[in-house]
Amino acid sequence: DAKTTQPPSMDCAEGRAANLPCNHSTISGNEYVYWYRQIHSQGPQYIIHGLKNNETNEMASLIITEDRKSSTLILPHATLRDTAVYYCIVLKGPSSKTSGSRLTFGEGTQLTVNP
Amino acid sequence: EAGVVQSPRYKIIEKKQPVAFWCNPISGHNTLYWYRQNLGQGPELLIRYENEEAVDDSQLPKDRFSAERLKGVDSTLKIQPAELGDSAVYLCASSSWTGGYEQYFGPGTRLTVT
Repeated sequence: DAKTTQPPSMDCAEGRAANLPCNHSTISGNEYVYWYRQIHSQGPQYIIHGLKNNETNEMASLIITEDRKSSTLILPHATLRDTAVYYCIVLKGPSSKTSGSRLTFGEGTQLTVNP
Repeated sequence: EAGVVQSPRYKIIEKKQPVAFWCNPISGHNTLYWYRQNLGQGPELLIRYENEEAVDDSQLPKDRFSAERLKGVDSTLKIQPAELGDSAVYLCASSSWTGGYEQYFGPGTRLTVT
């Protein structure tokens, strides 16, 4: 699986958009970008994933560059409850042979949302 | 729908003692994972089960760690004997084939070895 690079920390004002970048310059064609977050003292939580098109769900939007070498997770209106460590993970897409895959977590980005 | 359940939430033991952690995955999820998270680091996979079969246990320290998933549902992770370096949070997760690899994590068990 491709390696990822994220800034160690970021701050955001409550109510503003939080834009979390991730570099994955060695990503290959069949690898997806996944985002998870971990709020203090909780287990990681799945946020969103994508292959090459931009994706949006009720939690966030994922913007993947055309060359797929980087992506940005966008929390449109950050709240204090969004304070967490955000992990960008790249892994090969699902196959018919397996229903699971190892998630390789890096150090992630500590996002702090300030009042 | 209930999430992944883990017990106990906290455990304090002396070194060389045994310890066991239990996990009940989300109903219908055939894949179960055990991760270990050291302080200030991201989780690392210890073992992955597909139904009853352990399909990825390359990171499991087999001299002292063991795991089982009887009947393809609940799972137990055991450490015997525990060492000081085993102090960490042990996370259980589960997933099912939905076209993606979304994993759902439990709250974890925080182990302290003294």
